[in-house]
Amino acid sequence: DAKTTQPPSMDCAEGRAANLPCNHSTISGNEYVYWYRQIHSQGPQYIIHGLKNNETNEMASLIITEDRKSSTLILPHATLRDTAVYYCIVRVYGSGNTGKLIFGQGTTLQVKP
Amino acid sequence: DSGVTQTPKHLITATGQRVTLRCSPRSGDLSVYWYQQSLDQGLQFLIHYYNGEERAKGNILERFSAQQFPDLHSELNLSSLELGDSALYFCASGTSTDTQYFGPGTRLTVL
Repeated sequence: DAKTTQPPSMDCAEGRAANLPCNHSTISGNEYVYWYRQIHSQGPQYIIHGLKNNETNEMASLIITEDRKSSTLILPHATLRDTAVYYCIVRVYGSGNTGKLIFGQGTTLQVKP
Repeated sequence: DSGVTQTPKHLITATGQRVTLRCSPRSGDLSVYWYQQSLDQGLQFLIHYYNGEERAKGNILERFSAQQFPDLHSELNLSSLELGDSALYFCASGTSTDTQYFGPGTRLTVL
């Protein structure tokens, strides 16, 4: 699985959009980008995933560059409850994959009032 | 609520002891994954079971073992416990290649 690089920490004002970047320059053609977050010591929470098209769900949007070497997770209107560690993970999706997730250090997002 | 349950929530035990952590996956999910989160190592994959069969092993110590039962719940057995085994243990469930949903975790403290 490709390695990802994320900034260790970011701040965001409450109500503003939070844009969390992730670099995955060695991503392969069959690897997806997944985002999870962990609030305090709770279990990691799935946010969104994508291959090459931009994706949006009720939680966030995922923007993947055309060369797929980087992506950005967007929380459109951050709230205090979005304060968490955000993990960008790249892994193969399809038969034969063990499915394990390899977590890096992630980005600690602090949403401030 | 992810639909994944883990028991117990907290476990305090002594060095040298043996404990069992339990995980019930979401209804319909055949896969169970175990992860360990310690302060110095972050989230580490331990082992993956799919429909009762071991699929992959990660950084799991020989003192640790796991199994998945016919009703698909899973147990992680930790033996000869050491201080360094103190950590959060999470299980996650999902279909074999799909999104993983994590349980609330078991906090193990070894004294």
